[in-house]
Amino acid sequence: QVQLVQSGAEVKRPGASVKVSCKASGYTFFTGQYMHWVRQAPGQGLEWMGWINPNSGGTNYAEKFQGRVTMTRDTTISTVYMELRRLRSDDTALYFCARARAGDYDYWGQGTLVTVSS
Amino acid sequence: DIQMTQSPSTLSASVGDRVTITCRASQSISSWLAWYQQKPGKAPKILIYKASSLESGVPSRFSGSGSGTEFTLTISSLQPDDFATYYCQQYNSSPLTFGGGTKVAIK
Repeated sequence: QVQLVQSGAEVKRPGASVKVSCKASGYTFFTGQYMHWVRQAPGQGLEWMGWINPNSGGTNYAEKFQGRVTMTRDTTISTVYMELRRLRSDDTALYFCARARAGDYDYWGQGTLVTVSS
Repeated sequence: DIQMTQSPSTLSASVGDRVTITCRASQSISSWLAWYQQKPGKAPKILIYKASSLESGVPSRFSGSGSGTEFTLTISSLQPDDFATYYCQQYNSSPLTFGGGTKVAIK
């Protein structure tokens, strides 16, 4: 069965960077479907951050995160990464990877809690 | 950016009730709309895609309708497992955007 398994919770200081991984398994063509990142601040709604094309490595980021986020992939281990830099307290959130079909998401990772605190 | 407005933001209902949630887009998104269910601390789960297509494995009490700018999610007979928060999402154009969510609580 399809699984997206994310790395564990992180606690970071303001100004630091965090890199979250998302390992895919259970389907043959890792490079065949885009992977998106979505975050959710405590008690808040869902916020789209961007996507990566695992085949080409091409990316598209939400304007809000341009210059602070980088999404990469390692096709040899079917894993995508999301790095967010210059962290602020309002970046405290649960970060999800999600496999996209036409733009809707059929599978999600379990979420990675990133806490930014001094 | 396309704004997605859900209503109501919360609703209280009883088991067996028919529940309807509305999602409005700030411009036409054709049928490029999905509905998700989320429980606390868990990832969202897709219920409906392309406005009215039921995801495999999702109970038939869930249904979606609409096109253009107005969409609805209907739960025909609310079950105990359905108490959760529901989100709509448009994927007509980038940036992809979500509605603010509707929390379905026990009356």
